[in-house]
Amino acid sequence: GNSVTQMEGPVTLSEEAFLTINCTYTATGYPSLFWYVQYPGEGLQLLLKATKADDKGSNKGFEATYRKETTSFHLEKGSVQVSDSAVYFCALRDSGAGSYQLTFGKGTKLSVIP
Amino acid sequence: GAGVSQSPSNKVTEKGKDVELRCDPISGHTALYWYRQSLGQGLEFLIYFQGNSAPDKSGLPSDRFSAERTGGSVSTLTIQRTQQEDSAVYLCASSWGLSYTGELFFGEGSRLTVL
Repeated sequence: GNSVTQMEGPVTLSEEAFLTINCTYTATGYPSLFWYVQYPGEGLQLLLKATKADDKGSNKGFEATYRKETTSFHLEKGSVQVSDSAVYFCALRDSGAGSYQLTFGKGTKLSVIP
Repeated sequence: GAGVSQSPSNKVTEKGKDVELRCDPISGHTALYWYRQSLGQGLEFLIYFQGNSAPDKSGLPSDRFSAERTGGSVSTLTIQRTQQEDSAVYLCASSWGLSYTGELFFGEGSRLTVL
């Protein structure tokens, strides 16, 4: 079956620090990969996505590259801000027929302190 | 509507009672999903609708859980004889059917507490 493994949190960083949140996956087909973010008190929203190998998704200064050889989709940001404090979820959607749902990791809580 | 709307936002109930959670998807979205978010457990897929039919009910945790969708729009998730382990945030999402991008749009969730 499909699964997503992401680094356990919580992660606490100082403002302007570099962020990496690791994500690896297993899938039976050729999945699309996603990072979703959940800010305090809000619903999940798409942060970025990549649909094929070597694609780089980017948004709001965050980046992630689809690495098929290592089955990874690590999230990075060069300089975090307090406003980036949230829970980040890595997810995949497989390519096979009937693969309608997203499979999520358990989430990584990020806290950025001034 | 502008986004996915869920109600109630919070529900406290006693063990053994039935609860109904409602989801109003984005207008025009034919696919609708229910997930459950428990502390430390991530997001657990429950059920998916394409139009009014639910081809995949494999994620429903027990026969106490059921869901329906009418008119290709509003969906209701019903939990009968609630148990304490049902306490969680229930998330609804919608999308443009079998979109190749796979992006889902989420509501803010219904937080259920079973005493």
